This record gives sequence, C-alpha cells and structure tokens, in this order.
Amino acid sequence: GNSVTQMEGPVTLSEEAFLTINCTYTATGYPSLFWYVQYPGEGLQLLLKATKADDKGSNKGFEATYRKETTSFHLEKGSVQVSDSAVYFCALSDLDSSYKLIFGSGTRLLVRP
Amino acid sequence: EADIYQTPRYLVIGTGKKITLECSQTMGHDKMYWYQQDPGMELHLIHYSYGVNSTEKGDLSSESTVSRIRTEHFPLTLESARPSHTSQYLCASSDLQGQQPDEQYFGPGTRLTVT
Repeated sequence: GNSVTQMEGPVTLSEEAFLTINCTYTATGYPSLFWYVQYPGEGLQLLLKATKADDKGSNKGFEATYRKETTSFHLEKGSVQVSDSAVYFCALSDLDSSYKLIFGSGTRLLVRP
Repeated sequence: EADIYQTPRYLVIGTGKKITLECSQTMGHDKMYWYQQDPGMELHLIHYSYGVNSTEKGDLSSESTVSRIRTEHFPLTLESARPSHTSQYLCASSDLQGQQPDEQYFGPGTRLTVT
C-alpha cells in the first residue's frame, strides 16, 4: 500500500541555518505530494504541494521538488527563523488511496535564536 | 483563510461520560475528515464523509461515531469516554473537485483528556 516516510526529529537548528527534512514515498500510482505545517496549539496548514513529477512547490521560503526517480519530496529552506519552529508533515494523495491524505509521522523543527 | 471551526478547544471529563466534539465549516466543502493525533504527533484518520448522509470509518479503528446531516456540520460522538480516548482530535474538510486530490483545511483541534 501507499506510505510516506520522513526523517525523525527533533531537528534543532540555529537561526539562519539551512534546513532539509527528508521525505520519501511509496505509491503504485501517480500521487500528489504535500507538506503541511503544524504550529504549537494549532491545526495543520498546507505549506506547499506538487502534483506531478519535476514540479517544485514553494511558499514562505520553503521549497520541495517532486522527484519520481528517487520517490522523494524533500523540504528545504535556505535560512530558517525562530518562527519556523513547528511540526512538519509530508503527505501524499492519489487514486489508490481514494484521494485521502496519507501522512508521514511528522518531524519537529526547533530553531534557536 | 480557512473557515473551519472546532469546539470545544479543550475538554477534561470523567470516565463514562458521553461527549460530542463539534466541527463546522463554512466553505461548502463536500469532504470532511476526523483525525486522531497521538502525543507522538502521528495522525490517524478515524472517520470521513464525502457528503450528506455519507460516513465511513478510517484507517484507525475508533469507538467514536460521526454523523453528516448537514454539509457544514460533522460532529464526533463518544458514548462512554475512557482514559484511552485521551488525545488531540483534528477535523478537516476539502472540496470534491472531480475526484482530483485537493488541499485539506484543518480546524484548530480539540484536546480531550479523560480522567
């Protein structure tokens, strides 16, 4: 079945450091891929998405490229801020999952001043 | 700005009580979902609905029940709460765009503690 694997946290960085959170997926079809962010005490918000191979999603300085050859969708940001501290979820959706979201286990990011 | 609301935000109740967690959205979305989020952060789909009078169980077995009598309203009920039900419950909705995957909008969640 379809699944999403993301790197375990917590990830602790200093402000202005480069961020990478790895995400790989297993899917039989052609999924759409998403990154969601959950700030403390809140629900999830869509951060970015990509719907086909080689698409790059971007938002708020975050980027992720849909790599079909490596079945990956790694999240990157060039310079993190304290306000980026949150939990990040990678997810996929496709016909085989009836378009329900399949989430990874989440990665907590802590950015220190 | 997503318009999806959950009440209450926090609830502490005793074992054996019946509770209903409310979820409403004003976007006219057909699809609605309930997730349970454990302390380790992982999300588990427990119920979903594709429209009025449609409800399905999710991937994680749950003793809760749901109803969808109106498009905008998707309440979750626990007939007899137990400490094992202590968790964060997140409601979400999305549009039914020709069966293509679409963004899910999440409410702020209800943190339930059963003592």
